[in-house]
Amino acid sequence: QKEVEQDPGPLSVPEGAIVSLNCTYSNSAFQYFMWYRQYSRKGPELLMYTYSSGNKEDGRFTAQVDKSSKYISLFIRDSQPSDSATYLCAMRAVRQAGTALIFGKGTTLSVSS
Amino acid sequence: DSGVTQTPKHLITATGQRVTLRCSPRSGDLSVYWYQQSLDQGLQFLIQYYNGEERAKGNILERFSAQQFPDLHSELNLSSLELGDSALYFCASSIGQGAPNEKLFFGSGTQLSVL
Repeated sequence: QKEVEQDPGPLSVPEGAIVSLNCTYSNSAFQYFMWYRQYSRKGPELLMYTYSSGNKEDGRFTAQVDKSSKYISLFIRDSQPSDSATYLCAMRAVRQAGTALIFGKGTTLSVSS
Repeated sequence: DSGVTQTPKHLITATGQRVTLRCSPRSGDLSVYWYQQSLDQGLQFLIQYYNGEERAKGNILERFSAQQFPDLHSELNLSSLELGDSALYFCASSIGQGAPNEKLFFGSGTQLSVL
């Protein structure tokens, strides 16, 4: 079993839709959770960052972490064509020396106008 | 623009060859990370350097090596290249040693094609 699982999609939605992107993980030591957005032929850029469980909201984006289920989500409200990109979840343990961010494979989102 | 500079943007070479990818981190960042991205494996962590010292190692092949120089730029050396090494190689940087809450800033990547 991979440490981080993410449905690659593609996910196609009309403009204005609510989008839900999800990742599951197996390592209970993960405490820091991030979402990166990657446009075609570009490097990933940090979108949202949460620590431990709970919700975090930033504009149209909401990140949720459910540590009991080892499940994280990113919701995009009022989706726009400019949101079309690949979304990668990433996570990291707190006290594991010599580790770095572990990424999911990414979900490709397409928002049509 | 993330402030992380990677060169070259594209690299085409033959099997068995050796190439060097270069990365300049954001001004003030002391850590450099190398990642490999392919369609089947996703974004895989290779190695991290902090202020010239190796800090963390991931799924890096023995044919691959990296270093970080005193001016903090980093180079990733790939040797005895195989077709399967064709991928997008990203460099990222962060300000500290790699604390869990540190943000990584990625460059635009080097697309390596091994023919």
